[in-house]
Amino acid sequence: GENVEQHPSTLSVQEGDSAVIKCTYSDSASNYFPWYKQELGKRPQLIIDIRSNVGEKKDQRIAVTLNKTAKHFSLHITETQPEDSAVYFCAASNNAGNMLTFGGGTRLMVKP
Amino acid sequence: EAQVTQNPRYLITVTGKKLTVTCSQNMNHEYMSWYRQDPGLGLRQIYYSMNVEVTDKGDVPEGYKVSRKEKRNFPLILESPSPNQTSLYFCASSLNPPLEQYFGPGTRLTVT
Repeated sequence: GENVEQHPSTLSVQEGDSAVIKCTYSDSASNYFPWYKQELGKRPQLIIDIRSNVGEKKDQRIAVTLNKTAKHFSLHITETQPEDSAVYFCAASNNAGNMLTFGGGTRLMVKP
Repeated sequence: EAQVTQNPRYLITVTGKKLTVTCSQNMNHEYMSWYRQDPGLGLRQIYYSMNVEVTDKGDVPEGYKVSRKEKRNFPLILESPSPNQTSLYFCASSLNPPLEQYFGPGTRLTVT
């Protein structure tokens, strides 16, 4: 089955700096890659996603890039703010689109 | 208000005592899923359901059962809980799997 690895497990940045979280996946048939944000004690919430026919997608300060050849995708957050502090999870779907495999998560801390 | 609800939110039980965690969604979603979240392991899919009476195993189904008799409900059943099932459990639903899964608030289960 699919295996998703996520790095780093923790990331600390100064407010205003950029943050990058990277994920690799194993199944070349995976075609959907979402990113979820989970604030402390809360449920995961989708923040951005990308499909395999697109190389990059942006939404304000957040962007995701996908390299299908290398089987990795990344989350980029620019101009970080304290409210960006959370755990971020990447995920990859199977080819059938009925399952998601998640990475282990990255705890992002934005210091004021 | 569109939402996914879970009950109970917190549960402490003993080994072997059968329990059920309920999940309900009011968005008329066909797809529902259960995940468990453990530190460093991200979210792992237990079972999912593509529609009423259609369920399938995820990555970690051992020790769990599910049923989908109605579109809105997807209960998770632990017939003989063991301490290694101590975890945070999330239910999720989606209109078009695997896109944009909406998560419930979570159920923290402790098995002693």
